Amino acid sequence: DAKTTQPPSMDCAEGRAANLPCNHSTISGNEYVYWYRQIHSQGPQYIIHGLKNNETNEMASLIITEDRKSSTLILPHATLRDTAVYYCIVSGVDYKLSFGAGTTVTVRA
Amino acid sequence: GAVVSQHPSRVICKSGTSVKIECRSLDFQATTMFWYRQFPKQSLMLMATSNEGSKATYEQGVEKDKFLINHASLTLSTLTVTSAHPEDSSFYICSASKGGGYTFGSGTRLTVV
Repeated sequence: DAKTTQPPSMDCAEGRAANLPCNHSTISGNEYVYWYRQIHSQGPQYIIHGLKNNETNEMASLIITEDRKSSTLILPHATLRDTAVYYCIVSGVDYKLSFGAGTTVTVRA
Repeated sequence: GAVVSQHPSRVICKSGTSVKIECRSLDFQATTMFWYRQFPKQSLMLMATSNEGSKATYEQGVEKDKFLINHASLTLSTLTVTSAHPEDSSFYICSASKGGGYTFGSGTRLTVV
């Protein structure tokens, strides 16, 4: 399975955009990039996923580089409720989602 | 949207007893269900993958006789922690998948005393 690398933590000011990077240099052609977040003591919440095109939904935008070796999740206007651990995951064989350490995002007022 | 219900949300049991956790997909039929375990301040660790009507596939290091998984229908999977011990205390989370989408339950906090 392709592994991902994310910074362990980042701070963001409330109301500003939060840009979360993820490296997945060993991704293969048919593997998707998924983003989930987990707020303390809850199950992971789906944010967005993509294959090679940029994607946008009501929660976030996903920018995938042309070589697909990295991506960026953009939360356009961070709020205090966006404080969570964000996981970038590449779908592996048998369609399993294997979680890495993620990025702990703290949104500050 | 897709909803997965996990029950119970919290359970405390005595050492040596068994505990069953249910995972239901409420508004879709899941082709595959996954079970994860999460210890404090750690990430989710995949325990097993199950498909309806077939035996679960366990990840390396996960004891299949201790963590019994039954996937009797396309909407229900259960995880039974048998002869639980304090070291099994953890946060257990299920996920249901269909067509490339993965929806997670809200998790079960198991405490073995």
